Amino acid sequence: DAKTTQPPSMDCAEGRAANLPCNHSTISGNEYVYWYRQIHSQGPQYIIHGLKNNETNEMASLIITEDRKSSTLILPHATLRDTAVYYCIVRVVADSWGKFQFGAGTQVVVTP
Amino acid sequence: GAVVSQHPSWVICKSGTSVKIECRSLDFQATTMFWYRQFPKQSLMLMATSNEGSKATYEQGVEKDKFLINHASLTLSTLTVTSAHPEDSSFYICSAREGSGPHEQYFGPGTRLTVT
Repeated sequence: DAKTTQPPSMDCAEGRAANLPCNHSTISGNEYVYWYRQIHSQGPQYIIHGLKNNETNEMASLIITEDRKSSTLILPHATLRDTAVYYCIVRVVADSWGKFQFGAGTQVVVTP
Repeated sequence: GAVVSQHPSWVICKSGTSVKIECRSLDFQATTMFWYRQFPKQSLMLMATSNEGSKATYEQGVEKDKFLINHASLTLSTLTVTSAHPEDSSFYICSAREGSGPHEQYFGPGTRLTVT
């Protein structure tokens, strides 16, 4: 699976949009981009995933560049409860086992 | 969304004993379950993958005789840490996946293991 690169940390003001970048320059055509987050001492929580097109759900939006070498997770109105480590993962869709390999992630701190 | 539970949420055991951790998918059938380990201030490390009714596949460097995984049904997988030592103290997290294809994984809340 392609490796991902994320900034180690990011601060965001409450109520503002948080834009979390992820670089996956070696991504293959059959690899999806997934985003999860982990609040301290809890299991990771699924946020969103996509292949080529931009995706939006009730939690966030995922913007994937046309060349698919990078993506951005957007939390539209950050709250204090969004403080967590955010992980960007790419995975081969043809891998029927669906293994995820987690990188270091981005520690997001939302401040009042 | 789909719910995955783990039991116990935390456990303290003495060195040399064995500990079993359960992972259950509560509202879906999990064809595949995964076990991760997370040390403080580190990311999740995949330990093994298990499919219902099959032997688990372990990641490189993970001792299969020490970390016994059983996936006896589509809703239950267990991880047994045998002859636990203090260095096995960690946060163990399971995840479950329904079907194949680009499905998301759902993670359990984790089990904190402390070996004294």
